[in-house]
Amino acid sequence: QVQLVESGGGLVKPGGSLRLSCEVSIFTSKSDFNDYYINWVRQAPGKGLEWVAYISASGNTIYYADSVKGRFTISRDNTRNSLSLQMKTLRAEDTAVYYCATYDYGGHDAFEYWGQGTMVTVSS
Amino acid sequence: EIVMTQSPATLSLSPGERATLSCRASQSVNRNLAWYQQKPGQAPRLLMHTSSTRATGVPPRFIGSGSGTEFTLTITSLQSEDFATYYCHQYKDRPPVTFGGGTKVEIK
Repeated sequence: QVQLVESGGGLVKPGGSLRLSCEVSIFTSKSDFNDYYINWVRQAPGKGLEWVAYISASGNTIYYADSVKGRFTISRDNTRNSLSLQMKTLRAEDTAVYYCATYDYGGHDAFEYWGQGTMVTVSS
Repeated sequence: EIVMTQSPATLSLSPGERATLSCRASQSVNRNLAWYQQKPGQAPRLLMHTSSTRATGVPPRFIGSGSGTEFTLTITSLQSEDFATYYCHQYKDRPPVTFGGGTKVEIK
């Protein structure tokens, strides 16, 4: 019922910047993009899942993991059904697949829907 | 931050065997616990939410249980497509939501 598609990953040097995007399609008449909070979750090569950032449905509430606070900025455009993750001062340890993920509107708060991910590599 | 600890890190089993995966929270998450399955090169797939409710399309051989700080995911009879890595996830407290380190179920 919800499709997420990430883009914008690539190779960047340490200290550089990158902007990821997540396009969201809603295939139900019971909700629209404005109803969904969205998270970014990342996964370093061969490692587990790490939550990165959260933005509420309205965009008024935002949270970040301590590891990215002050360097990453999450935002959303409810007119375009999209959100972005602006990443600055990138470090080698930011190398990961980045997923956007959201929940089941009107149901539970687990991450029902995930994008396919976009790879970010920070290396000189 | 609530720390999620999964055990074992790796489970080596044969098809048809029973798999028991554990997840422990550093403090109570009530029943706000999910399980995901992930195969190489793929995004995680939600298996279970609210500790024991199967997500849409998940076969009944997957059984979740537990509340508070102790949770279990049981696969009653492993099928070839079940060999993967499994993560638990607490969503009671945010931020941050937190994930366990994963249990890899591999073919013995």
